[in-house]
Amino acid sequence: DIQMTQSPSSVSASVGDRVTITCRASQDISTWLAWYQQKPGKAPELLIYTASTLQNGVPSRFSGSGSGTNFTLTISSLQPEDFAAYYCQQANSFPLTFGGGTKVEIK
Amino acid sequence: QVQLQESGPGLVKPSETLSLTCAVSGYSISSGYYWDWIRQSPGKGLEWIGSIYHTGSTSYNPSLKSRVTISVDTSKNQFSLKLTSATAADTAVYYCARRGIVASIGGFDYWGQGTLVTVSS
Repeated sequence: DIQMTQSPSSVSASVGDRVTITCRASQDISTWLAWYQQKPGKAPELLIYTASTLQNGVPSRFSGSGSGTNFTLTISSLQPEDFAAYYCQQANSFPLTFGGGTKVEIK
Repeated sequence: QVQLQESGPGLVKPSETLSLTCAVSGYSISSGYYWDWIRQSPGKGLEWIGSIYHTGSTSYNPSLKSRVTISVDTSKNQFSLKLTSATAADTAVYYCARRGIVASIGGFDYWGQGTLVTVSS
């Protein structure tokens, strides 16, 4: 199985801050990576797929980059509604696997 | 608007079979996409269980493969999950989701609201 490792596990930030979350794959997954946002009690929501493609309706302050084994999700200017958990997911091979999550908290 | 809705018992006894159904509205399962089951527990995070295509072709997580069956009923526009020999470790919120083949490729673009299944006597 491909292991997905996210860092940090949590980050405290203020509205307007730039936040970067890292996801590392245990082997080369090309750009087969997706990012999700999850709020408490809700299902995850797709933000980005194929590492950098913004899902329809997702604000442009979210961006993704990377290929191979190293990926980043960046929120350029944190908004109040962005405080949530974020997960990466590899779509390169079965079984599909997720990172352990990063919780973005209010500073 | 595409909507997915899980249904099934919220409480399952140990050693029994966990059965869930996902009803899809706003999109025909037969039109494409993969249809997946994912679960989330505090101890293991998000775990992919398996997927099915409208043709009936399936893929399963090897860690669960011996106990999992996913099936599709295109006439009812729904798909189902069966997990046999349930244990407390199977206690989780279970989600059904749609996975992209072309659009949103590789990503889960629509999810059900999730249903908590507790395995306990």
